[in-house]
Amino acid sequence: DVKVTQSSRYLVKRTGEKVFLECVQDMDHENMFWYRQDPGLGLRLIYFSYDVKMKEKGDIPEGYSVSREKKERFSLILESASTNQTSMYLCASSWTVDYGYTFGSGTRLTVV
Amino acid sequence: GNSVTQMEGPVTLSEEAFLTINCTYTATGYPSLFWYVQYPGEGLQLLLKATKADDKGSNKGFEATYRKETTSFHLEKGSVQVSDSAVYFCALNPGGGNKLTFGTGTQLKVEL
Repeated sequence: DVKVTQSSRYLVKRTGEKVFLECVQDMDHENMFWYRQDPGLGLRLIYFSYDVKMKEKGDIPEGYSVSREKKERFSLILESASTNQTSMYLCASSWTVDYGYTFGSGTRLTVV
Repeated sequence: GNSVTQMEGPVTLSEEAFLTINCTYTATGYPSLFWYVQYPGEGLQLLLKATKADDKGSNKGFEATYRKETTSFHLEKGSVQVSDSAVYFCALNPGGGNKLTFGTGTQLKVEL
């Protein structure tokens, strides 16, 4: 069964820490995405990548960076975690959008 | 810009009731439209899609028709089950890329 795996289901980090969220897909998809999900705001795109070492900013990139050194892995980095980054983070991958995205189960990050 | 507006939830229905979840959109050009579903504790899954005006997407008893004249893509199901309890997201792709813009989600609760 094809899937997207996010390394942690729950994380608790301290303010100011550097945080890495990892995402791996086994479908050879070119496109990968990071969203955050917040109540009342839905899903908001942070960054996406359409090829190895390629990245583009989404709608809310401030405070985040990404890394894609291999096709199957897309990492989200919080350079200095803040409490307003407490959220559910969802990774997704796809061929073209019309085939649909495949989402991971999410990482619930709490910054204290 | 591109945006999706969904009815606020939660929507609470009795089993076998008729379901409608409203979705309207704003987009330039000719977008593709999608419904995704998120079951508790899981990532989002593609439920159905429509890529041009008057197309009807359908899956698992759910249907939605792409109405260009009213810029709408309402989700319907004739008889809901308890197992349909989830959060439903309407989304659009404006065309020319692989990014999705999501609505805020509508929670559906189905009771016996």
